[in-house]
Amino acid sequence: DIVLTQSPDSLAVSLGERATINCKSSQSVLYSSSNRNVLAWYQQKPGQPPKLLIYWASTRESGVPDRFSGSGSGTDFTLTISSLQAEDVAVYYCQQYYSTPLTFGGGTKVEIK
Amino acid sequence: QITLMESGPTLVKPTQTLTLTCTFSGFSLSTSGVGVGWIRQPPGKALEWLALIYWDDDRRYSPSLKNRLTITKDTSKNQVVLTMTNMDPVDTATYFCAHLKAVAGTLNWGQGTLVTVSS
Repeated sequence: DIVLTQSPDSLAVSLGERATINCKSSQSVLYSSSNRNVLAWYQQKPGQPPKLLIYWASTRESGVPDRFSGSGSGTDFTLTISSLQAEDVAVYYCQQYYSTPLTFGGGTKVEIK
Repeated sequence: QITLMESGPTLVKPTQTLTLTCTFSGFSLSTSGVGVGWIRQPPGKALEWLALIYWDDDRRYSPSLKNRLTITKDTSKNQVVLTMTNMDPVDTATYFCAHLKAVAGTLNWGQGTLVTVSS
């Protein structure tokens, strides 16, 4: 199984400041045939299902604000919120689809400082 | 617009079998590249993938739960059913079904249903 390790477990950021979340994979999730990393990021607010933010490691889902960005390749990935807004308070998860079982990171809780 | 809705019992007793139904609209499970999966989330904890069924009836299961899970589809009804046998209190969780776009590996989630296992 591919293990995804997120860090930190939680972080508190001031409004308007940058939030950075890391996701490290136990093996590469780069499909050589397509040259795409099959890694996605989701946002989950209390009482709601996860919402897709980023796929292929860096492609923003339609309708997602451009303050959200993804980067990385192979085994190391980052989700960045460039200017934290109050509505961004949530838990964020990475997920890989390189192989089944699909796996998720342990989640990172983002709060306002 | 893709929508999914989970249905089933909210309370089951230990050792019983749980049957959950995912009813969806906005896509067909006979379309190439499409799948429907189940994921659960114990209260306050992280997401755990359970099972996945593809348009071609290929089925995948979580290795740790494989012996307890069965996933099936009824394309004509736009439904996917998950059964989990021998339920235990540690299986208490919100169970989500989700549309899978296989080319990107992305999930589009239903609202989820909370299942409590208690005698």
